[in-house]
Amino acid sequence: ILNVEQSPQSLHVQEGDSTNFTCSFPSSNFYALHWYRWETAKSPEALFVMTLNGDEKKKGRISATLNTKEGYSYLYIKGSQPEDSATYLCAHNTGTASKLTFGTGTRLQVTL
Amino acid sequence: DTEVTQTPKHLVMGMTNKKSLKCEQHMGHRAMYWYKQKAKKPPELMFVYSYEKLSINESVPSRFSPECPNSSLLNLHLHALQPEDSALYLCASSQGPMKGQTSSYNSPLHFGNGTRLTVT
Repeated sequence: ILNVEQSPQSLHVQEGDSTNFTCSFPSSNFYALHWYRWETAKSPEALFVMTLNGDEKKKGRISATLNTKEGYSYLYIKGSQPEDSATYLCAHNTGTASKLTFGTGTRLQVTL
Repeated sequence: DTEVTQTPKHLVMGMTNKKSLKCEQHMGHRAMYWYKQKAKKPPELMFVYSYEKLSINESVPSRFSPECPNSSLLNLHLHALQPEDSALYLCASSQGPMKGQTSSYNSPLHFGNGTRLTVT
């Protein structure tokens, strides 16, 4: 993996469904992996910053895991709600002077 | 509401115009960033200021000129832009590296709502 890749590109789930998506990044020279939520017409909002292999973080119904050796992170949403509809971006930091490289995002739509 | 304020929200300019984008934060953050985002693409880093000094310029064309007048303000001066420069320009801030370090890799970015720029 040379760049930050996210899958799927988009996802459409029903209210109450649980879902997850993937961020893949270069495993060499790893410093941190960030997750952001970006709702339409708003600014991207930081969800998690993860730095250690095996890290698991949780914020309400949203959680994330990190595997730095194989270069991936999963974001999980339990019991999706319409207000979870947003684009979820991950970003990789190799420690080079605060430079974050973003993935293209996973666009999640939750319907009733 | 975001704690990073960007103005204007929308800007339409001709290729011969000179305009400026403004960004302001009062969180005491010492690192400030300009990102450019085109449709269906990830945000791309343009510039980073750390302690009011330019620390990263991602080979951005000189028609984009950043300025950090003080620790709370970040400007992006635009001159002789091309239609392909039309994009969403996002400003962000973070706590910034500790003195003597070069990176604040574990500090989350706080973004503004962006300026939607159209170059005609």
